Amino acid sequence: KQEVTQIPAALSVPEGENLVLNCSFTDSAIYNLQWFRQDPGKGLTSLLLIQSSQREQTSGRLNASLDKSSGRSTLYIAASQPGDSATYLCAERDNNAGNMLTFGGGTRLMVKP
Amino acid sequence: ETGVTQSPTHLIKTRGQQVTLRCSSQSGHNTVSWYQQALGQGPQFIFQYYREEENGRGNFPPRFSGLQFPNYSSELNVNALELDDSALYLCASSLAVGGETQYFGPGTRLLVL
Repeated sequence: KQEVTQIPAALSVPEGENLVLNCSFTDSAIYNLQWFRQDPGKGLTSLLLIQSSQREQTSGRLNASLDKSSGRSTLYIAASQPGDSATYLCAERDNNAGNMLTFGGGTRLMVKP
Repeated sequence: ETGVTQSPTHLIKTRGQQVTLRCSSQSGHNTVSWYQQALGQGPQFIFQYYREEENGRGNFPPRFSGLQFPNYSSELNVNALELDDSALYLCASSLAVGGETQYFGPGTRLLVL
C-alpha cells in the first residue's frame, strides 16, 4: 500500500517569507506527483503536476520538485501572501493504478499580514 | 472553475439511511473518480468509472456503489449510512484513464447523525 506523508501538518508564517512544504512517498513506481490547494470546505485546485521523468515544475511564485530516489517532493512558495493561506495537498499516482491518486494529509498554511 | 459540478452542496442524513450524490463531469471526460475526505485528512480514493464501468476500487465496502452515465454525469450511492461516513465527497474527472490532469468538483459535505 502506497503512503504519502506531509510535514509539517500546519505552518504559520509572516507575509513575504519564502517557504517550503514537504511531501514524502513510498511508491517506487510513481507515475506523477501533483500538488493541490484546498480552501476551507472547498474542492481541490491543481497547482503543479510533475511527471516521474521530470525534476521540477514552476508556475508563477510556485516551484515543485521531485526526487524519486529519495521519495520526496517539495513545494516552494516565494514571497508568500495572505491569499496563499489554504491547505496544500500532494498526491502521487502509481504506474499501475489507473487514475487513482494517493494523497498526503495536507499542510495547513496561514500567512499573516 | 474546473467545469466539474456536484450536487447537493450539503446534506444531512441519519444513520441507516441511503444517500445519492451527483457529479457532472467536463464534456468529453469519460473517466470519473470519487474520493472521501474526512475532516482534517487527505482525500481517500473510493472508486473510478470509465465508460460506465467500475475500473478500480479503493478500500471501501460494497455499500459504496456508483453509476456513470453517457452524458458525463455520475452518482455515488451509499447504503446503510454510518456516522463515520460523515465527510466531504469529491468527484474528479479526466479525459481518459491515464489522463494527466484530474479536475475536481467542489464536493458534497455529508453529515450523518
